[in-house]
Amino acid sequence: TQLLEQSPQFLSIQEGENLTVYCNSSSVFSSLQWYRQEPGEGPVLLVTVVTGGEVKKLKRLTFQFGDARKDSSLHITAAQPGDTGLYLCAGAGGKLIFGQGTELSVKP
Amino acid sequence: GAVVSQHPSRVICKSGTSVKIECRSLDFQATTMFWYRQFPKQSLMLMATSNEGSKATYEQGVEKDKFLINHASLTLSTLTVTSAHPEDSSFYICSATPGGSGNTIYFGEGSWLTVV
Repeated sequence: TQLLEQSPQFLSIQEGENLTVYCNSSSVFSSLQWYRQEPGEGPVLLVTVVTGGEVKKLKRLTFQFGDARKDSSLHITAAQPGDTGLYLCAGAGGKLIFGQGTELSVKP
Repeated sequence: GAVVSQHPSRVICKSGTSVKIECRSLDFQATTMFWYRQFPKQSLMLMATSNEGSKATYEQGVEKDKFLINHASLTLSTLTVTSAHPEDSSFYICSATPGGSGNTIYFGEGSWLTVV
């Protein structure tokens, strides 16, 4: 069974701080996706990383896929209150398996 | 763009009754749809893979007789929670992938089920 360990599960920071969320697995995934979810809504795709070592940037968000395609990280620079939400990593390998999620709270 | 729609978005049912949730792909055909369950502030847990024209594939620990899945057409999958209990109260989300589009996955808006 493929499992994704996501950490931290809860994160509360002040506006302007940087943060990193990690997603680790013992399994290799063909691709890994990061989602953001608002309460009561479906998750919204932020990025898909496919190639080992790949780095993608989305404004203040930087996503990295590990060389072995078993882990990934999401780094947010200068976090803003609007970044508050549930961040989910998900590995694709036939079906999409989600990590436990990271509940981020950015306080003004 | 591609849209996946769920109905109802919110439903309240009495304990012991059954409730059906629909997942529709509005502008593409989906041979495979996925059903997830999510508790507040927790991640999505895959319940089952819904296959058009064949039986659903359930994840370990998910009761197939309690969570009935029917994928009768290429644009519709339904999840029926039978003999619902309060502990079945949760957010249920479906997703679908258009054939031949690689890893593009589209999620529905989710359905809140409350069993009283």
